[in-house]
Amino acid sequence: GESVGLHLPTLSVQEGDNSIINCAYSNSASDYFIWYKQESGKGPQFIIDIRSNMDKRQGQRVTVLLNKTVKHLSLQIAATQPGDSAVYFCAETLNQAGTALIFGKGTTLSVSS
Amino acid sequence: ETGVTQSPTHLIKTRGQQVTLRCSSQSGHNTVSWYQQALGQGPQFIFQYYREEENGRGNFPPRFSGLQFPNYSSELNVNALELDDSALYLCASSLVDRGNTGELFFGEGSRLTVL
Repeated sequence: GESVGLHLPTLSVQEGDNSIINCAYSNSASDYFIWYKQESGKGPQFIIDIRSNMDKRQGQRVTVLLNKTVKHLSLQIAATQPGDSAVYFCAETLNQAGTALIFGKGTTLSVSS
Repeated sequence: ETGVTQSPTHLIKTRGQQVTLRCSSQSGHNTVSWYQQALGQGPQFIFQYYREEENGRGNFPPRFSGLQFPNYSSELNVNALELDDSALYLCASSLVDRGNTGELFFGEGSRLTVL
């Protein structure tokens, strides 16, 4: 079946380090990918997205890389801050109305100062 | 703040009971999706409503049903509650334009506990 998985359930970094969170997806037909951040007791918060016709997209302190050849997605966070501590989910979908987002299980990022 | 509000924030029910969860979508959005998030897991798609009709459904039984109202707010109803229905239920709104779905904005969720 279709699934989106993350390579590591937890990641611990020091404040100021760069963080890389990885995700593997299995549906080669997926054409839209999103990273979400979920803090304790809150709903998922959009971080950055990327469409399948791109291989890199940058935001403020975050970069998403897409490798369609190996069906791999990564989120890079520069100069990680304690406020970045949360669970990070990648999600994949077909960019069509009515289509579900398929979420992975998440990676818990812990940032120590 | 996403502008998506859900109620109630927490509730406790017993097996066999029914529950209704409510969601007000962000202003300007015409589509509402519901997700179930079990503890330690990623959200799972239940269904989506567009123009007051179900417009996509995940692998959930018929006892999970929903409504969308003319003002685009929505309800999720779950009948005959089971222990495994205990989860965080998330509502997300988006703007569907010309068949393409836009960014999803999630609410804070309704935490349901079934005893």
